[in-house]
Amino acid sequence: DSGVTQTPKHLITATGQRVTLRCSPRSGDLSVYWYQQSLDQGLQFLIQYYNGEERAKGNILERFSAQQFPDLHSELNLSSLELGDSALYFCASSGFMGGAGYTFGSGTRLTVV
Amino acid sequence: AQSVTQLGSHVSVSEGALVLLRCNYSSSVPPYLFWYVQYPNQGLQLLLKYTTGATLVKGINGFEAEFKKSETSFHLTKPSAHMSDAAEYFCAVSEPNTDKLIFGTGTRLQVFP
Repeated sequence: DSGVTQTPKHLITATGQRVTLRCSPRSGDLSVYWYQQSLDQGLQFLIQYYNGEERAKGNILERFSAQQFPDLHSELNLSSLELGDSALYFCASSGFMGGAGYTFGSGTRLTVV
Repeated sequence: AQSVTQLGSHVSVSEGALVLLRCNYSSSVPPYLFWYVQYPNQGLQLLLKYTTGATLVKGINGFEAEFKKSETSFHLTKPSAHMSDAAEYFCAVSEPNTDKLIFGTGTRLQVFP
């Protein structure tokens, strides 16, 4: 157990639908990062939050949004889902000035049918 | 800007053979360097990291890596491969005192009996 908790582990949904992925960071970590991993795109950075504020944005589609709550857990919202959104979505957390690296959760596998 | 290049998207070795996974980085300042491993259907797990000090870093599962500033490299090695080492390996770089981690595209290691 890495200390980063992601739910649900698996999600199957239809095109056009909206889903929410949840992440609880490791205790004491203020930063949360979201990544998408697919066979053709590899590991893609989506977005980072630090202590409730958006800190960095990567290759995140406009149909996707995220937020970090006061208790530091984060949610990634994916809407108007397309088949190509099928992927593994990882959350990672780190302390400030991540010299210790990131700690990853076990991911949510999203399948859009 | 920082970047990471992993030479070889796939590496195959026989059980008991030397494992060598290559990583070169680009950074304008002395970097922090990391290797992560991802087993099938799991999240990324930190194998080892270099921040400061000794340039030969030992990690979990018998892996080690050496920071060579003159070659801008941080290659991952293991003297004797085991079947359980089959996984995807990611090299990553960050600047000290920042929380941004740049990942390479990954190398898939196959181990044959």
